[in-house]
Amino acid sequence: GNSVTQMEGPVTLSEEAFLTINCTYTATGYPSLFWYVQYPGEGLQLLLKATKADDKGSNKGFEATYRKETTSFHLEKGSVQVSDSAVYFCALRSDTGRRALTFGSGTRLQVQP
Amino acid sequence: DAGVIQSPRHEVTEMGQEVTLRCKPISGHNSLFWYRQTMMRGLELLIYFNNNVPIDDSGMPEDRFSAKMPNASFSTLKIQPSEPRDSAVYFCASTEGGAYEQYFGPGTRLTVT
Repeated sequence: GNSVTQMEGPVTLSEEAFLTINCTYTATGYPSLFWYVQYPGEGLQLLLKATKADDKGSNKGFEATYRKETTSFHLEKGSVQVSDSAVYFCALRSDTGRRALTFGSGTRLQVQP
Repeated sequence: DAGVIQSPRHEVTEMGQEVTLRCKPISGHNSLFWYRQTMMRGLELLIYFNNNVPIDDSGMPEDRFSAKMPNASFSTLKIQPSEPRDSAVYFCASTEGGAYEQYFGPGTRLTVT
C-alpha cells in the first residue's frame, strides 16, 4: 500500500535559518505529492503540490521537488520566520482510483527569534 | 467562499453518549472526506464520499461509527456509543471533481470522559 515517511520532529531553528524537512514515499504508479501546514488550533492548509516527476512546487518561499528516482519530496525554505512555526505534513494521492490522501506523521517546526 | 465548515468546534461528552459531528463542504465540491487526528496514529482517513455516495469506509474503526451525506452540502459523522479512545480531532475536507487539492475544515476536537 501507499505510505509516507517524514523526519521526526520537532525541528528547532533560529529565524533566517535554512529549513529542510525530509519526506519519502512508497506508492505504485505516479502519485501526486503535497505539503500541508497546520497552525496551532487550525485545520490543514495546502502549502504546495507537485503532480509529476521533476515538478517543483513552491509557495510562500517554500519549495519541494518531486524526485521519482529517490521517491522523495523534501520541503525547503531558504530563510524561516517565526510565523512559519507549525506542523508540516507530507502527503500523497494515488493516481489509481482512491482519491483520499495518505499522510506522513507530521513534523513540528519551531522557529525562535 | 466560506471554506469547509465544521460544527461543533469542541465537544466534551461522557462515555456512552451519542456524538454527532457536522460538516458543510465548499459549494461545488463533490468529494468529501472525514479524517481523524490523534497523537498516536496521526491523520487517518475514516471515510470518503463522491457525489454523496460512500466510496471507501475501510477506515471506519468499528460499527460504533457511521457517516452519512444526505445531500451535496451536508455530512454527519456519528459515534454511538462514544468511548474515551475516540477522543481526537476530527477533520472534514472537500475537493472538486478531479482536482488534487483537498480543503480542510477547522476540525472538531472531541473529548470523551
